[in-house]
Amino acid sequence: EADIYQTPRYLVIGTGKKITLECSQTMGHDKMYWYQQDPGMELHLIHYSYGVNSTEKGDLSSESTVSRIRTEHFPLTLESARPSHTSQYLCASSLTGTGVGEQYFGPGTRLTVT
Amino acid sequence: GESVGLHLPTLSVQEGDNSIINCAYSNSASDYFIWYKQESGKGPQFIIDIRSNMDKRQGQRVTVLLNKTVKHLSLQIAATQPGDSAVYFCAAPGNSGYSTLTFGKGTMLLVSP
Repeated sequence: EADIYQTPRYLVIGTGKKITLECSQTMGHDKMYWYQQDPGMELHLIHYSYGVNSTEKGDLSSESTVSRIRTEHFPLTLESARPSHTSQYLCASSLTGTGVGEQYFGPGTRLTVT
Repeated sequence: GESVGLHLPTLSVQEGDNSIINCAYSNSASDYFIWYKQESGKGPQFIIDIRSNMDKRQGQRVTVLLNKTVKHLSLQIAATQPGDSAVYFCAAPGNSGYSTLTFGKGTMLLVSP
């Protein structure tokens, strides 16, 4: 079982609210990732980080932002949520040197914006 | 960049049968591929990977075959069990090289007793 945690697991909020999705890992991994996944569909990379103070945008354009102040923590923030943000958000981490394929995923946060 | 895709959105098999899940990729220069399993309500879990200098790699009850000529790979699951029911994704290094992954559309494997 991977030691990567996401909170909350489920969130229902109204349009315009600011939200932060939390992701923490206790494996000491330097790389972390955020993916967006609609039900039954492929994962789309929205942000990633090589390490502390490093953040990069992914392949899918996103109105969210991320920060990486500590190795173990990689929160994702939506300043003003919209119904189009309704989706599942998955956080993952990996260790440099073990191969990009070996990413460990958290259980996900299912977000619904009304 | 790479794009990967699975051939069949749903595959239904009987318990004990062998399952074969297929995936195609577009970039002939891609040299590394990964299979993930995602059970309902969970994040994806790494199953097995293969590099392009290999045609076949075996794990516990799983085998991945790579055909570089037709840019196709497959995941074979032997003696499929109900616990194998999940969505399976193939993935390859993304537009940022080996820093990120591009995932294909999943195939849902349904195993009936």
